[in-house]
Amino acid sequence: NAGVTQTPKFQVLKTGQSMTLQCAQDMNHEYMSWYRQDPGMGLRLIHYSVGAGITDQGEVPNGYNVSRSTTEDFPLRLLSAAPSQTSVYFCASRFGGPTSPLHFGNGTRLTVT
Amino acid sequence: AQTVTQSQPEMSVQEAETVTLSCTYDTSESDYYLFWYKQPPSRQMILVIRQEAYKQQNATENRFSVNFQKAAKSFSLKISDSQLGDAAMYFCAYLEFNAGKSTFGDGTTLTVKP
Repeated sequence: NAGVTQTPKFQVLKTGQSMTLQCAQDMNHEYMSWYRQDPGMGLRLIHYSVGAGITDQGEVPNGYNVSRSTTEDFPLRLLSAAPSQTSVYFCASRFGGPTSPLHFGNGTRLTVT
Repeated sequence: AQTVTQSQPEMSVQEAETVTLSCTYDTSESDYYLFWYKQPPSRQMILVIRQEAYKQQNATENRFSVNFQKAAKSFSLKISDSQLGDAAMYFCAYLEFNAGKSTFGDGTTLTVKP
């Protein structure tokens, strides 16, 4: 049982480059989300999805795109990387029921130079 | 928008002692859920404990318990008999019942001294 799998674990980008952070879960969770974690600022919600074909913006969506074509996958796209996007990114999923806790991936450390 | 505040950026406790981490939140909703997550240096986020807002009884999980004060919008975490493995960053999180979004506090870094 793999849980939530994020790739890559580390990435260095130059300003203006684009890339996709991958997230896959094998628990048949309806809800998936992306957070970024900056020092001293906790986790901030970027985008989330309550099911295949449905996505919505979180607290800090600018500069990021998402899609949810399948239940299992929820990729996060950086359109034109900026140094302000240097952060650790977490993907998380859970069942639709409100008491279900989030299951997190191991994170991706992204550095934009 | 809901906000979650953890007013203690850092806390320390002696091994085997008890420590309480504070969390307050702001919401106009009556149905919601609260969680404490632990993030050790490995970066993996781990669920510690959860509380349903409609339940008056405080949740407990072994050495971890909460003090949930709904009227005061307070949700503190008590760790009893602290162990070296408890050293981590702890995040308080609020889950909105209908929207499904989770909002996190900024975290409290807990140091356990031997």
